Amino acid sequence: SQKIEQNSEALNIQEGKTATLTCNYTNYSPAYLQWYRQDPGRGPVFLLLIRENEKEKRKERLKVTFDTTLKQSLFHITASQPADSATYLCALLNTGNQFYFGTGTSLTVIP
Amino acid sequence: DADVTQTPRNRITKTGKRIMLECSQTKGHDRMYWYRQDPGLGLRLIYYSFDVKDINKGEISDGYSVSRQAQAKFSLSLESAIPNQTALYFCATSVTSGFNEQFFGPGTRLTVL
Repeated sequence: SQKIEQNSEALNIQEGKTATLTCNYTNYSPAYLQWYRQDPGRGPVFLLLIRENEKEKRKERLKVTFDTTLKQSLFHITASQPADSATYLCALLNTGNQFYFGTGTSLTVIP
Repeated sequence: DADVTQTPRNRITKTGKRIMLECSQTKGHDRMYWYRQDPGLGLRLIYYSFDVKDINKGEISDGYSVSRQAQAKFSLSLESAIPNQTALYFCATSVTSGFNEQFFGPGTRLTVL
């Protein structure tokens, strides 16, 4: 069956540290993968996209990697801040033009 | 003003009632989507539309129908609501290429008693 799995547990880290979130998928062949941030009571907001032929993408303090052999994407937030506390969702576009989302990882950055 | 709006924001209804959730966008995007979000299950695609005449079923379309009244408007209907349709519903838009990000509305919290 098709699955997209993100860190099953909530992630708590100290301010200033690097947060690393994982997204693993099975039985998909995504053309690309996206990461979104969702705050309580709000819709997701797009952060980064990485294509299947890209190994790494960066945007300010954010970095995403994509390993199609391992079927995994890693999302890093460096120098984390309390304002980074949110739920982070990965999403992939499979053949058929449908988006599939992971269940999300809740990140709390402790001051 | 918000680019993607949803009405109502909250709705409580009873089993068997017909419900319509509405989505409007001012982004000029051709593609629109309806998702539901449940705790532990994440966002799941219900229907999507690539233009006014192109509507497609998503992962979980049973019990739902949609109408694309114009490029800017995409409505989701529950013909006969049931309690397991209680969820947070999101509308989203994206540009035609599909490689760009989706822009989400603020969500509608629907409770079916």
